[in-house]
Amino acid sequence: TQLLEQSPQFLSIQEGENLTVYCNSSSVFSSLQWYRQEPGEGPVLLVTVVTGGEVKKLKRLTFQFGDARKDSSLHITAAQTGDTGLYLCAGDNQGGKLIFGQGTELSVKP
Amino acid sequence: DVKVTQSSRYLVKRTGEKVFLECVQDMDHENMFWYRQDPGLGLRLIYFSYDVKMKEKGDIPEGYSVSREKKERFSLILESASTNQTSMYLCASSPLDRWPQHFGDGTRLSIL
Repeated sequence: TQLLEQSPQFLSIQEGENLTVYCNSSSVFSSLQWYRQEPGEGPVLLVTVVTGGEVKKLKRLTFQFGDARKDSSLHITAAQTGDTGLYLCAGDNQGGKLIFGQGTELSVKP
Repeated sequence: DVKVTQSSRYLVKRTGEKVFLECVQDMDHENMFWYRQDPGLGLRLIYFSYDVKMKEKGDIPEGYSVSREKKERFSLILESASTNQTSMYLCASSPLDRWPQHFGDGTRLSIL
């Protein structure tokens, strides 16, 4: 069974701080996606990384796919209260399904 | 913009009832998915469908069934609801190459 281990599970920081969320697996994925979910809503896709070593930036968010395509990270610079939410990573194993991590609950306090 | 619409945001049912959760997408996507979301467990796949009348079991299909009679509609059925099926249920759709998945806003189901 393929697993994606996401850490940390909870993160509470002050506005302006930096943070990193990790997503690790022993399996290789053809692509990896990051979603953000706000309370009362469904997950919304932030980015998809496909190539080993790929780095993508979305304003203050930086996403990296590991060279071996087994892990990924999300780094947020100078967090804002609007970044608060649940962050989910999901790997595509080409088996027709996405494998989701457990999620990271981020709280950014003013 | 892709729209995935789930029929109810909140639903309260009794143990033993047959429960229907409906999902409609407007992007002509081939694939549709049903997940349940529980704290600390992420999203777990219940069933998915890659074509009309086609379905495949996900990781936790026990106690659930699905129906896809039209391409745009995917229904999740709890045959005899039990309290351990209290959860947030999310529907998603995607094009044939499987990503990205577009999600509905979820149905929070409580079984009493």
